[in-house]
Amino acid sequence: GAGVSQTPSNKVTEKGKYVELRCDPISGHTALYWYRQSLGQGPEFLIYFQGTGAADDSGLPNDRFFAVRPEGSVSTLKIQRTERGDSAVYLCASSLIVRGEQFFGPGTRLTVL
Amino acid sequence: AQSVTQLDSQVPVFEEAPVELRCNYSSSVSVYLFWYVQYPNQGLQLLLKYLSGSTLVESINGFEAEFNKSQTSFHLRKPSVHISDTAEYFCAVSVKAAGNKLTFGGGTRVLVKP
Repeated sequence: GAGVSQTPSNKVTEKGKYVELRCDPISGHTALYWYRQSLGQGPEFLIYFQGTGAADDSGLPNDRFFAVRPEGSVSTLKIQRTERGDSAVYLCASSLIVRGEQFFGPGTRLTVL
Repeated sequence: AQSVTQLDSQVPVFEEAPVELRCNYSSSVSVYLFWYVQYPNQGLQLLLKYLSGSTLVESINGFEAEFNKSQTSFHLRKPSVHISDTAEYFCAVSVKAAGNKLTFGGGTRVLVKP
């Protein structure tokens, strides 16, 4: 069966631009997580969804970051007015239930020039 | 808040030698503990986890980790490594009472040499 997929795999943008990163979770998984991994560091939690609603968005660094999951499946992470410090690999994970094993996607590498 | 410290950023080891990756955590509440592995050019994969019960947990490929509550540690060990174990290993915790968001350590890169 298909795992978690993320598109695009790579995104290069200019400072100040808007970007959207997409995550397709494993079919039927109710929980979806976003993490950010900067170079040389472990992943850092951003936000997680239980169904359509954001159950915990405490990891979003500021109001330039926003995520949605309108139908309880695909999620989009949106970053406005990108800054060079936003450059990182953005990881998505899903789990069947909130406390189940998280399955990670391959990530989207975002580079802000 | 929780934090995870992986004391070694890189561990070079010869094939068939043992390896230990150290992980210490800090938390004021009970946590679940995990080790994830990231092979070159692949996504994160769960290696093993401690939720409750026996403090020694094992993976299918020969790794084991032991939860030590008094030392707040969850060190990962393998008695004999293979070239294919070359990867980055991440220790992580999640709080039992607060969803399942993971707090990761900085990672340990294991390079197995022939």
